[in-house]
Amino acid sequence: GESVGLHLPTLSVQEGDNSIINCAYSNSASDYFIWYKQESGKGPQFIIDIRSNMDKRQGQRVTVLLNKTVKHLSLQIAATQPGDSAVYFCAEIPFVGGASKIIFGSGTRLSIRP
Amino acid sequence: NAGVTQTPKFQVLKTGQSMTLQCAQDMNHEYMSWYRQDPGMGLRLIHYSVGAGITDQGEVPNGYNVSRSTTEDFPLRLLSAAPSQTSVYFCASRERPGTGREQYFGPGTRLTVT
Repeated sequence: GESVGLHLPTLSVQEGDNSIINCAYSNSASDYFIWYKQESGKGPQFIIDIRSNMDKRQGQRVTVLLNKTVKHLSLQIAATQPGDSAVYFCAEIPFVGGASKIIFGSGTRLSIRP
Repeated sequence: NAGVTQTPKFQVLKTGQSMTLQCAQDMNHEYMSWYRQDPGMGLRLIHYSVGAGITDQGEVPNGYNVSRSTTEDFPLRLLSAAPSQTSVYFCASRERPGTGREQYFGPGTRLTVT
């Protein structure tokens, strides 16, 4: 069935370094891939998305890379800051169902060392 | 705009009790969804709605009912609470399908069933 998973459940990064969070997906028939950030006690917040016909998309301090050959998605955060501490989820919107569903992965917790 | 609001923030139920989790949005969004989030896991879709009067099941619909009589409101009903329904529940809304960019989440309801 459809599933979106993550390689690592936790990631510890030195403040100022770059962070890379990885995600593997199994459904080839997806239109959009999305990264969400969830801070403690809050709902998920949209960070960046990428359409399936793209390989790379950049935002402010974040870059998402999509490798459809190996079904891999990554989120790169440049110059990681304490405010980046959160759980990060990848998610996908499959074509099936009229693009009305968003399927989430299990999340990676990012912690920042001072 | 208040965005997506959820009530209550916390709730404790006894096994077998019923209750309704409230969700409202003031952004005139057509699409609304309910998710549950268990410890160490991603969000799983319970039910969703693509417009007033239209609802459909997600990944884990058993034990939950929804209705969508207005664009603004999307309540989630637990018919007979079970300990397995202990979770954090998030409501979300978005204007249209196809992207995750415009999906907004509420602050969540933490439910404990004893």
